[in-house]
Amino acid sequence: DQQVKQNSPSLSVQEGRISILNCDYTNSMFDYFLWYKKYPAEGPTFLISISSIKDKNEDGRFTVFLNKSAKHLSLHIVPSQPGDSAVYFCAASQGDMRFGAGTRLTVKP
Amino acid sequence: ETGVTQSPTHLIKTRGQQVTLRCSSQSGHNTVSWYQQALGQGPQFIFQYYREEENGRGNFPPRFSGLQFPNYSSELNVNALELDDSALYLCASSFEWGINTEAFFGQGTRLTVV
Repeated sequence: DQQVKQNSPSLSVQEGRISILNCDYTNSMFDYFLWYKKYPAEGPTFLISISSIKDKNEDGRFTVFLNKSAKHLSLHIVPSQPGDSAVYFCAASQGDMRFGAGTRLTVKP
Repeated sequence: ETGVTQSPTHLIKTRGQQVTLRCSSQSGHNTVSWYQQALGQGPQFIFQYYREEENGRGNFPPRFSGLQFPNYSSELNVNALELDDSALYLCASSFEWGINTEAFFGQGTRLTVV
């Protein structure tokens, strides 16, 4: 059931630079997309979301872009900070959420 | 406003046994979903309950079952445990099914089957 895919298991960026995390989905019925951040020994915490009627949503340093024709979304973090180091999951929903496998982001000082 | 809480935090069971995991939803939330997260993978959707009825199910066998109570707390039951059931089990609650909104997760229950 790989309806949501994150093909990069890990990403390493320098503090202050941009982090770009990518996600692809296969089910065109998904109408809401979310990004979650997870630290060890904690549950995922909600970061940002976007409805299928939009192509961009911004919240401070975090921006999510949605390309429906390509079934692709991305999360941009700028500037990246060491505290952003975590595993990031994208999720897609049509009533219930389906998750990707996650990308481990490391931001180096 | 209380968050989502799960109990227990850790559990060790023997193959073939049964287990019950519990979840208390965030105040005001009537929808709860359960996920299984194996090591190195993303959360896999098990099922979802809305107003005490199951209204969505992932690719899990019938030995995974659940309940949602009138106060919207929830249980996940797993019968005939297998070694591959060892995982982190996450519960998430959301305000209302069908409305695009984020779900809030508990800290999870780490189940080890030996």
